[in-house]
Amino acid sequence: DTAVSQTPKYLVTQMGNDKSIKCEQNLGHDTMYWYKQDSKKFLKIMFSYNNKELIINETVPNRFSPKSPDKAHLNLHINSLELGDSAVYFCASGLGLLPDTQYFGPGTRLTVL
Amino acid sequence: DQQVKQNSPSLSVQEGRISILNCDYTNSMFDYFLWYKKYPAEGPTFLISISSIKDKNEDGRFTVFLNKSAKHLSLHIVPSQPGDSAVYFCAASGRGGATNKLIFGTGTLLAVQP
Repeated sequence: DTAVSQTPKYLVTQMGNDKSIKCEQNLGHDTMYWYKQDSKKFLKIMFSYNNKELIINETVPNRFSPKSPDKAHLNLHINSLELGDSAVYFCASGLGLLPDTQYFGPGTRLTVL
Repeated sequence: DQQVKQNSPSLSVQEGRISILNCDYTNSMFDYFLWYKKYPAEGPTFLISISSIKDKNEDGRFTVFLNKSAKHLSLHIVPSQPGDSAVYFCAASGRGGATNKLIFGTGTLLAVQP
């Protein structure tokens, strides 16, 4: 009965390809997030959606496009993958209130060759 | 510009003893602080939080202390257990930007020796 789930768990692909990572939460939360953890273990926010509306966009390249078909899902599509995109991507959800406690998915390890 | 810092990358403690993990922040707009625990190949798990109106919050074996004047918080685990071995992340958020953006530290790897 996973609260925040992500697929796939591992993704290995070639430079230049386009890939998507899916995220779903069954906590009834209004807000969902994407975080990136790079090779130096920094965990940084990329995007946040509240009720399908984008509310945070942390100067992420345009190649990254989040899509929220409904408030329980926030997918991340990445175009023209680059070597530097290799990282672990975490989805999270929260109530969207200030302050908020966020609950994380298990992560997707993306490796770009 | 690292607004949340965890200066100890690792900490080793004997089972039954106290573990103290430290975190410093620079942004005075932060008013909510959280600790997350992360096992390998899993996502961070929420552990405990504290609002800036408090200086202490306790939940079982876990206590978080906040010193606003020093911009410092710490997590105490008493008694430490081998299952506590994990990476611990400190995170902060603030009302300045009216968003729920969490700023994370780089983590401290805690090893509890049996």
